[in-house]
Amino acid sequence: SYVLTQPPSLSVAPGETARITCGENNIGGKSVHWYQQKPGQAPVLVIYYDSDRPSGIPERFSGSNSGTTATLTISRVEAGDEADYYCQVWDRNPDHPDDVFGTGTKVTVL
Amino acid sequence: EVQLVESGGGLVQPGESLRLSCAPSGFSFRSYWMHWVRQAPGRGLVWVSRINTDGSKTTYTDSVKGRFTISRDNAKNTLYLQMNSLRVEDTAVYYCARALDALDSWGQGTLVTVSS
Repeated sequence: SYVLTQPPSLSVAPGETARITCGENNIGGKSVHWYQQKPGQAPVLVIYYDSDRPSGIPERFSGSNSGTTATLTISRVEAGDEADYYCQVWDRNPDHPDDVFGTGTKVTVL
Repeated sequence: EVQLVESGGGLVQPGESLRLSCAPSGFSFRSYWMHWVRQAPGRGLVWVSRINTDGSKTTYTDSVKGRFTISRDNAKNTLYLQMNSLRVEDTAVYYCARALDALDSWGQGTLVTVSS
């Protein structure tokens, strides 16, 4: 299987925009999902199929995916967005049909 | 309301076995693929295993192949993870999750500690 690389940490001021990247050679050819995990809590799906939002997720959360990088964008960041964020894909390689999570990004709201 | 409740975690010694259960409610369990994901203390999420709707297809991450077995009983509405030959590095919170490709609902997790 392969490795999805994310920046370990990101700091952003309230009201600004946070962009979290997820890199892999041909990630643009795969569907990427994003999860938010707050301390002591289970992960929550915030973006699926690259850019779709589940019901209840604010419009401030958006996603894109092209080439070697998928990106989760959080606009007008709020204190409540402070969390760890993980990307995830399903590697449909018939020899290793694994799900893979990214290395995770800790977002700190200043 | 969709709910997933894991149970069966605990403290075991290396080499011992443990069976985790996941009890779903609020949706038609038999219609969904299900996954197990784990998270070691202070570390990131790691996918462990998945199973299709009728239990005929299962997949595992390399580190647990031959030791862990995922299964389901649709009549009893329960997902299982049988974990044998446990190692210290299997210590983690284990989550079950419902899948629609993406993992759209997660349980709160059950802690498995492997230590001598």
